[in-house]
Amino acid sequence: QVQLVQSESEVKKPGASVKVSCKASGYTLTSYDINWVRQATGQGLEWMGWMSPNSGDTGYAQKFQGRVTITRNTSINTAYMELSSLRTEDTAVYFCAGAGFSSTYGMDVWGQGTTVTVSS
Amino acid sequence: DIQMTQSPSSLSASVGDSVTITCQASQDISNHLNWYQQKPGQAPKLLIFDTSILETGVPSRFSGSGSGTDFTFTISSLQPEDIATYYCQQYDNLPYSFGQGTKLEIK
Repeated sequence: QVQLVQSESEVKKPGASVKVSCKASGYTLTSYDINWVRQATGQGLEWMGWMSPNSGDTGYAQKFQGRVTITRNTSINTAYMELSSLRTEDTAVYFCAGAGFSSTYGMDVWGQGTTVTVSS
Repeated sequence: DIQMTQSPSSLSASVGDSVTITCQASQDISNHLNWYQQKPGQAPKLLIFDTSILETGVPSRFSGSGSGTDFTFTISSLQPEDIATYYCQQYDNLPYSFGQGTKLEIK
């Protein structure tokens, strides 16, 4: 079945970078856009950025401009989100979400989430 | 950037009640609005897209309406399994954005 499988939890020190992977299975990654959304504990959903895996086009929230990079490796059907210059407030669960499978542009297939903890 | 203002932030209702959540966009987003349900420890689930179209398998007690800047999400007869946090999300313009969420509890 169609699913997105994310990499395992990470613990990083302030100032470091983290790269979270999102592997598509049951479909070809280039068929649907991928969005990245994060959620700090007890907080709401925060949209970080988007990629068209087909074209490689990306768009990012202003808040993360210069710190976030979304890429993909189509040969292994995997998308990535890298966040640099980590701060303690970046501690959150990071989700990848595919859009448009059964809707116009709803995020209708989600990864399981990757917990990133930033602590000295 | 488009700001999404969702209200209320929390809501307590009884089983069988009708429940309504509103979402206001800071500019016209046509019908480019989705609604999600998130239960604790789970990823969000898409319930409604394009303002009013139910995802496959979503019970008909859920509905959405609106256009432009003002949108409404309704559960016609609240069930115990509907306890969750609900979010609106616009996709009219990048950057896409979510409302702050509405936490729904059973009275």
